[in-house]
Amino acid sequence: GAGVSQSPSNKVTEKGKDVELRCDPISGHTALYWYRQRLGQGLEFLIYFQGNSAPDKSGLPSDRFSAERTGESVSTLTIQRTQQEDSAVYLCASSLGVVSLPGANVLTFGAGSRLTVL
Amino acid sequence: GEDVEQSLFLSVREGDSSVINCTYTDSSSTYLYWYKQEPGAGLQLLTYIFSNMDMKQDQRLTVLLNKKDKHLSLRIADTQTGDSAIYFCAGSSGYALNFGKGTSLLVTP
Repeated sequence: GAGVSQSPSNKVTEKGKDVELRCDPISGHTALYWYRQRLGQGLEFLIYFQGNSAPDKSGLPSDRFSAERTGESVSTLTIQRTQQEDSAVYLCASSLGVVSLPGANVLTFGAGSRLTVL
Repeated sequence: GEDVEQSLFLSVREGDSSVINCTYTDSSSTYLYWYKQEPGAGLQLLTYIFSNMDMKQDQRLTVLLNKKDKHLSLRIADTQTGDSAIYFCAGSSGYALNFGKGTSLLVTP
């Protein structure tokens, strides 16, 4: 696609429920990233995919968080048994990948999925 | 990982220049980036600078890099009300970008 698409744009859920957030990266971008942005905070790195593999999952806050990517395309971030502290905007970004270019790794971001846990 | 620090808030009058400052800790960052976030939107790349450069100019934007002091700045000339947004600097440590908390720029008429 022309840009990075994320869905849903807004999600309100009850504490304890599971949620899935979806990201459609730019076609041909091999690298995909998930960040979390809490209100008034900077971006917190969650996970990175190169192709369908996630070399670094160390940013995931707890074992309630998981992510997968298929077909070197769509990625899903799943949060199980949501807690109120999970409320945030979840941003997805994609890039050509550092292994593809000798130059800057320019990330293109989606508009984010705003998650509110009541 | 890299720590990136920014001042949190800046207010300027329309037509004045804005200077947003950032410090970082990882001297191995090959590129340093400035992103802009408007309300309700994702981050938009403004510009980036290669670490062996000390200045880059792009229309109203000037990036200055002091590698010795690990200090990066973004100057916006002739600031307009449409420039009101949150500005993030970021350094790269391999694959991911490490972002600061962002500087909220308010441009008043």
